[in-house]
Amino acid sequence: DIQMTQSPSSLSASVGDRVTISCRASQNIGNYLNWYQQKPGEAPNLLIYAVSNLQSGVPSRFSGSGSGTDFILTINTLQPEDFATYYCQQSDTMPFTFGQGTKVDIK
Amino acid sequence: QVRLVQSGVEVKRSGTSVKVSCKTSGYAFNSYGMTWLRQAPGQGLEWMGWISAYKDSTTYSHKLEGRVTMTRDTSTNTAYMELRSLRSDDTAVYFCARGDYGFFDFWGQGTLVAVSS
Repeated sequence: DIQMTQSPSSLSASVGDRVTISCRASQNIGNYLNWYQQKPGEAPNLLIYAVSNLQSGVPSRFSGSGSGTDFILTINTLQPEDFATYYCQQSDTMPFTFGQGTKVDIK
Repeated sequence: QVRLVQSGVEVKRSGTSVKVSCKTSGYAFNSYGMTWLRQAPGQGLEWMGWISAYKDSTTYSHKLEGRVTMTRDTSTNTAYMELRSLRSDDTAVYFCARGDYGFFDFWGQGTLVAVSS
């Protein structure tokens, strides 16, 4: 199975900050990388698919980049509603696998 | 609008089975497959498998192979996931999610399955 490793596991940030989350795949996954946001007690919400494509309805302060094995999720101008856990997920090869998550909380 | 509504909380004994339903509306059920995922308490997300809209073909996680069955009922636009021989480490919130290209754009609200010995 392809292993997905996110860093950091958690971070503290303030409203208005720029936040970056890294995701590394154990093998080349091309551009088959997606990002989700999950808030406590809720289902995950798709933010970005295929590295950099913003899902409909997702604010433009979210962006993604990378290719191959290394990927980044960037949140520009962090908003109060962005405090959540973020997961990367590879869709190159079944079983599709997720990173362990990055929790973004309030500094 | 697209909606996926799952069945309610299940409390099960070890060794028994559970069947979770996912009733959909607002889109062409026949045109999309369904993925099932789970999340153990305080843990990350685990992909369990996928049932395609094409001939209902299935692909399961090899970790669950032999214990899980995913089905679809096109007459009611409902997807089902059955997990057998339950163990305590199957305790989790189970999600259905729409997606045929490896990413999941609409999710059910989740169903807690608690397994006790």
